[in-house]
Amino acid sequence: AQTVTQSQPEMSVQEAETVTLSCTYDTSENNYYLFWYKQPPSRQMILVIRQEAYKQQNATENRFSVNFQKAAKSFSLKISDSQLGDTAMYFCAFMKHDSSYKLIFGSGTRLLVRP
Amino acid sequence: KAGVTQTPRYLIKTRGQQVTLSCSPISGHRSVSWYQQTPGQGLQFLFEYFSETQRNKGNFPGRFSGRQFSNSRSEMNVSTLELGDSALYLCASRRGAGDYGYTFGSGTRLTVV
Repeated sequence: AQTVTQSQPEMSVQEAETVTLSCTYDTSENNYYLFWYKQPPSRQMILVIRQEAYKQQNATENRFSVNFQKAAKSFSLKISDSQLGDTAMYFCAFMKHDSSYKLIFGSGTRLLVRP
Repeated sequence: KAGVTQTPRYLIKTRGQQVTLSCSPISGHRSVSWYQQTPGQGLQFLFEYFSETQRNKGNFPGRFSGRQFSNSRSEMNVSTLELGDSALYLCASRRGAGDYGYTFGSGTRLTVV
């Protein structure tokens, strides 16, 4: 069975600084997807960034980028130029590349951006 | 375009009652999944529906059920509510086969007293 681990329950960063959130996962699959979701107080889970395991190049979306290390089963999220609106819970998630389409989530990291 | 709409936003029920939650996916999305979010267990997969058929089910008791209608709208039902069913229930939709990108709604906060 697949598991996703986020070892940082809470993190804090100064506005405009850079912060990295950690995620490790365990799987015997070779093809899969990894995601970072953001959940602000509004509760809606918002997709931040997505990585296909077969792609070696790390995904980037504006201020958000990932460091995907397939052999180490590590998938960290880097947020550059942190903004107050980045304050939220961040969840790392795994999905097998099959017909199940089931997301397996980590326990989340609460990020506070300080003014 | 409109996002995933979940109703109601909040719900308070008494132990032993049953409840029905509704989810309207993004127009054109044929798959709807449901997740339960609690402080203790985190986010857990409940089930997925595609074209009115349940495709996948998580490890939840039979009190949790769902269905999907021809317009892709989905409902989730929980019977004989227990205190432990108090949670945020999130619905997510995607277009269909080959689409691995889910869009989530804002959830229904269910409190069982």
